[in-house]
Amino acid sequence: DAKTTQPPSMDCAEGRAANLPCNHSTISGNEYVYWYRQIHSQGPQYIIHGLKNNETNEMASLIITEDRKSSTLILPHATLRDTAVYYCIVRVADNFNKFYFGSGTKLNVKP
Amino acid sequence: EAGVTQFPSHSVIEKGQTVTLRCDPISGHDNLYWYRRVMGKEIKFLLHFVKESKQDESGMPNNRFLAERTGGTYSTLKVQPAELEDSGVYFCASSQVIGTAGFYGYTFGSGTRLTVV
Repeated sequence: DAKTTQPPSMDCAEGRAANLPCNHSTISGNEYVYWYRQIHSQGPQYIIHGLKNNETNEMASLIITEDRKSSTLILPHATLRDTAVYYCIVRVADNFNKFYFGSGTKLNVKP
Repeated sequence: EAGVTQFPSHSVIEKGQTVTLRCDPISGHDNLYWYRRVMGKEIKFLLHFVKESKQDESGMPNNRFLAERTGGTYSTLKVQPAELEDSGVYFCASSQVIGTAGFYGYTFGSGTRLTVV
């Protein structure tokens, strides 16, 4: 079962930063935090992942609290194409662990 | 680099018929996974192949579902006979053995939307 809690939906104005929270209070020391998103009619798309340090790539930034019990995905300048369901997943990082998708957060980017 | 390819993209079949879904993983990815989302539910894991061997099939719902990966390349997922509750979107994903810390290129396909009527 999913070990994360996310708000069911959020709105964001186009061009503004979207900050998507995730609680993972039972995360283990060897579990990473992953973020994927699913744009309508497409498969889940990898965004970013991290263990304990903040991470940034061309798509987003991931801020993980010091106690690792929560994290925030930041889309710095949201566009309409970022409208999607965003999934926060915790998982031991090896190839033999499945992903448990929760309900995710539906991000609505509005003009 | 080509991504994970699935076909058909859509399939509509009658209850009791057989349907076969196909997944072509990213070239060189030994790990192949099947997931599905049925109406109104979350995306759920079905099974995991390492090359041609089934590593974990704990998510397969029942014996009407048969997954194969002959030769360790593409995989098929057959539903026989299909029931109404099998309707949903079936996703395939693949990953490599070696990768950057925490990430092995775990990439999903666009899915096959199956409708059983």
